[in-house]
Amino acid sequence: AQSVAQPEDQVNVAEGNPLTVKCTYSVSGNPYLFWYVQYPNRGLQFLLKYITGDNLVKGSYGFEAEFNKSQTSFHLKKPSALVSDSALYFCAVILNAGSYQLTFGKGTKLSVIP
Amino acid sequence: DAGVIQSPRHEVTEMGQEVTLRCKPISGHNSLFWYRQTMMRGLELLIYFNNNVPIDDSGMPEDRFSAKMPNASFSTLKIQPSEPRDSAVYFCASRPDSSSEKLFFGSGTQLSVL
Repeated sequence: AQSVAQPEDQVNVAEGNPLTVKCTYSVSGNPYLFWYVQYPNRGLQFLLKYITGDNLVKGSYGFEAEFNKSQTSFHLKKPSALVSDSALYFCAVILNAGSYQLTFGKGTKLSVIP
Repeated sequence: DAGVIQSPRHEVTEMGQEVTLRCKPISGHNSLFWYRQTMMRGLELLIYFNNNVPIDDSGMPEDRFSAKMPNASFSTLKIQPSEPRDSAVYFCASRPDSSSEKLFFGSGTQLSVL
């Protein structure tokens, strides 16, 4: 079985400050990890993925995520938050490349305060 | 590329009525997913098609739900009869093929069953 936990329902950060959105995972094997973003009244959009290799993954809109195998975490980060980053962020995991069984976390609402 | 197109964007209906949601995947994509999003349960996979064939429908909540993909460019999700607890946002997503990890989501259909 595979699962993803996003421990924070909401994260508030001031514009210009660094942001972190947390994600931990549980899989019986090597995970493939993803972050998606959902803007109001829109579908989810792919941000970045970790498959293998460098633990620091860079994605769209200046976001990056760090894979930490010992802590089973894949936190999303950005050095300087923008008001336009305010959205719902989802972490997701699959066990095998190309698997259709993508398991999503419950989502974290990010609010960037001007 | 117009992306994944879903219709209608909003649907309000009365309990007991039939509801049909529509999806046009990205041209050339041969994998299609239907998801349901609620506050309580987050994102749930309802059904997965590959090359127009339903591969996994274990997420379909009840026999009231059915999905079809008559060709590579069109899919429907039908609820008959609808119930208030079916109220949710229904997303369609596609990907180029079964080995791709990245999903492309439509903007969703907001369904309200009164």
